[in-house]
Amino acid sequence: EVQLVESGGGLVQPGGSLRLSCAASGFRFSDHVMHWVRQGPGKGLVWVSRISHNAQTITYADSVKGRFTISRDNAKNTLFLQMNSLRAEDTAMYYCVRDSYWNFDFWGQGTMVTVSS
Amino acid sequence: QSALTQPPSASGSPGQSVTISCTGTTNDIGSDDHVSWYQQHPGKAPKLIIFEVNVRPSGVPDRFSGSKSGNTASLTVSGLQADDEADYYCNSYTNNNNWVFGGGTKLTVL
Repeated sequence: EVQLVESGGGLVQPGGSLRLSCAASGFRFSDHVMHWVRQGPGKGLVWVSRISHNAQTITYADSVKGRFTISRDNAKNTLFLQMNSLRAEDTAMYYCVRDSYWNFDFWGQGTMVTVSS
Repeated sequence: QSALTQPPSASGSPGQSVTISCTGTTNDIGSDDHVSWYQQHPGKAPKLIIFEVNVRPSGVPDRFSGSKSGNTASLTVSGLQADDEADYYCNSYTNNNNWVFGGGTKLTVL
């Protein structure tokens, strides 16, 4: 059974940093592109970032470029999102998502990030 | 990258059909067939229900169907059931090598 379990969310002050993790199981993690997608409270889904299976190709949404860094450890089946210079508008549920041919076929349950003073 | 345009709400009675539109540009929906749809119930993670415009993943009822014409994709839910009440999001891969979602449509089963 495919499982994606996010962790690392919490309350952080504006300008602060957080590192999210996503533990994957039930599939060959190293074969798949992975994404982070976020959803603000009461708002829609927003794509954040993508990392290829071997970490050679990485892309970001303009809203997080230069502040967020996606990475992965295929030996530990884990996806990461380092978030720096956090802003109030980054407040959201962050989902770890598996890619299957440019589609998001499995989603974790999410980890909540709140940026507030 | 601007969000794809979806109607904020849609509704139908049990047994009826409803269609939700998703309008983009030649840079996203109009550029290839990497269009997908997601269903999200309150408090739950989204679930893939349509990919590559009109393909249903295993386990998704054939009451759900997708189509595309030019820069607009559509999701049709036939034979509406109470459990279909949820938020629905379209998504497209873009020719800028990123992804864009629609703003979401809240489907109400009357």
